[in-house]
Amino acid sequence: DTGVSQNPRHKITKRGQNVTFRCDPISEHNRLYWYRQTLGQGPEFLTYFQNEAQLEKSRLLSDRFSAERPKGSFSTLEIQRTEQGDSAMYLCASSPDGVTGELFFGEGSRLTVL
Amino acid sequence: EDQVTQSPEALRLQEGESSSLNCSYTVSGLRGLFWYRQDPGKGPEFLFTLYSAGEEKEKERLKATLTKKESFLHITAPKPEDSATYLCAVQARGTSYGKLTFGQGTILTVHP
Repeated sequence: DTGVSQNPRHKITKRGQNVTFRCDPISEHNRLYWYRQTLGQGPEFLTYFQNEAQLEKSRLLSDRFSAERPKGSFSTLEIQRTEQGDSAMYLCASSPDGVTGELFFGEGSRLTVL
Repeated sequence: EDQVTQSPEALRLQEGESSSLNCSYTVSGLRGLFWYRQDPGKGPEFLFTLYSAGEEKEKERLKATLTKKESFLHITAPKPEDSATYLCAVQARGTSYGKLTFGQGTILTVHP
């Protein structure tokens, strides 16, 4: 068990470009979450998957954001037409069924939009 | 709307100097309150879950307690390796598993 893996760890892009982040959860975990964290703040919930089904999306997730989890394994988070306000750390977490609140976070993907 | 406020924003301690971090919360029915530790450049690491007022959990030099309005993280005789940001989060009843509302964190620095 190598933990939750996220790639890339750092991404610098120009405003208006599209970016995609990948998350590989702990293999036996059915639940997967995306959070966003800006400097000096706690993580904010973005979306939640149970296996391949996306069960909840935050209002923070505008139409420019899309997340998928094909076949209930890895997940991708795509941001289209990036804006400077999208600059943040994007955290992925996973958890097993039957456990609430004990999330296993990856090390995050830091996005900088110039 | 669920809300979590942590204080102080930053805390500097000498090694061995015990203290407490505060987490005040407002939630529409508490399912659980959680403490996480976050090191610079890393994702949060789970520490404790508390479910009901009066509950306490301990792990090494850390002890978490819960009342109906707030939680405390007590740090006894801290060491420099305890330096980190400590995050408090709540989950409301009826919300999706893993949908947590986090506070802004307390940055703890322990000097040798």
